[in-house]
Amino acid sequence: QKEVEQNSGPLSVPEGAIASLNCTYSDRGSQSFFWYRQYSGKSPELIMSIYSNGDKEDGRFTAQLNKASQYVSLLIRDSQPSDSATYLCAGGDSNYQLIWGAGTKLIIKP
Amino acid sequence: DVKVTQSSRYLVKRTGEKVFLECVQDMDHENMFWYRQDPGLGLRLIYFSYDVKMKEKGDIPEGYSVSREKKERFSLILESASTNQTSMYLCASSSGQSGANVLTFGAGSRLTVL
Repeated sequence: QKEVEQNSGPLSVPEGAIASLNCTYSDRGSQSFFWYRQYSGKSPELIMSIYSNGDKEDGRFTAQLNKASQYVSLLIRDSQPSDSATYLCAGGDSNYQLIWGAGTKLIIKP
Repeated sequence: DVKVTQSSRYLVKRTGEKVFLECVQDMDHENMFWYRQDPGLGLRLIYFSYDVKMKEKGDIPEGYSVSREKKERFSLILESASTNQTSMYLCASSSGQSGANVLTFGAGSRLTVL
């Protein structure tokens, strides 16, 4: 069974520090990976996508993919209270269907 | 600037009632999806559609049906609502095959079945 696993948290990080969110996946056929952010009571929104091994940076966010280890991570630099949310990791194949993790709740402490 | 609109934000229905959840997108996206989200279980795909009048079952289609008569509209139908269908329902859309996994979500419809 295809699975994406995340630690549910909560992960508590001081303001200004680096938040590190991790995700592992079981399906070696997954070709693309996504990080969605979901604020409490809101719907998910895409913040990062990554398709190849290595790092991808976008502002304060860096996504990392290691296909050999089946591992995806999201780093948030200079964490702000507004980054407090649940972060959903998802893996995609070519069949329109994403495999979702249950999400990690991140709390940034001022 | 609203791109994916779900018709009802909150609904309360009784067991056995028929429930319609409507979703409209204005981005000319080919693909549309219905998910349900429950605490600790993450997002689970109910049905999706990659073209008008086309539908594909997701992971948990039992008890649900869908309709896509127009490109912009994707409806989720609960023929006879049950208490275990109490959940948050999320509609999403995406463009084409290469961008199929880049989803734009609606605000969600929280359904309570009594």
